[in-house]
Amino acid sequence: AQSVTQPDIHITVSEGASLELRCNYSYGATPYLFWYVQSPGQGLQLLLKYFSGDTLVQGIKGFEAEFKRSQSSFNLRKPSVHWSDAAEYFCAVGYDSNYQLIWGAGTKLIIKP
Amino acid sequence: KAGVTQTPRYLIKTRGQQVTLSCSPISGHRSVSWYQQTPGQGLQFLFEYFSETQRNKGNFPGRFSGRQFSNSRSEMNVSTLELGDSALYLCASSLDRAEQYFGPGTRLTVT
Repeated sequence: AQSVTQPDIHITVSEGASLELRCNYSYGATPYLFWYVQSPGQGLQLLLKYFSGDTLVQGIKGFEAEFKRSQSSFNLRKPSVHWSDAAEYFCAVGYDSNYQLIWGAGTKLIIKP
Repeated sequence: KAGVTQTPRYLIKTRGQQVTLSCSPISGHRSVSWYQQTPGQGLQFLFEYFSETQRNKGNFPGRFSGRQFSNSRSEMNVSTLELGDSALYLCASSLDRAEQYFGPGTRLTVT
């Protein structure tokens, strides 16, 4: 079965430090890849997406992600986090063969002052 | 362009009642998906509608139903509410096979 794994339920990072959130998917076909962010009690906001082409994609709020086919990964990175980045981050994967996105369980980012 | 709107934003219902939630997608988007989000279960897919047809369905009981109108607006209905139905219900719209854009959600509390 197709699945998406975000191995870290919580991550704590000091303000100003770099961040990497991990995402792995299980299916072998070429995926569409997404990262979303959710602030408490709010809907999800699209941070960035990968459909094809350059495997390093830039998103909003200074985030970037790199698609590594050999590792079935699409990790999210930010060089320097801000307190306002505290939120929950979701990775999602889609395929041509499946109309629906497959979602990871989310990683909650906590920022230490 | 206006974003996805969901009404109402907050709702309190009693066990056994039914509820209808509404979602208006981004103009031009014909796909609407519904999700249930709870602290314990995360984001769970309910169903997706495309051009008034249910195209995909998650693993929820028949008490959960939905529909889509010709203007792409969608409603979901939950009958015979249970305490466990308390959740944030999210609607997302998209052009076909593309990124989804989410509304702010409807917070349903069942007492």
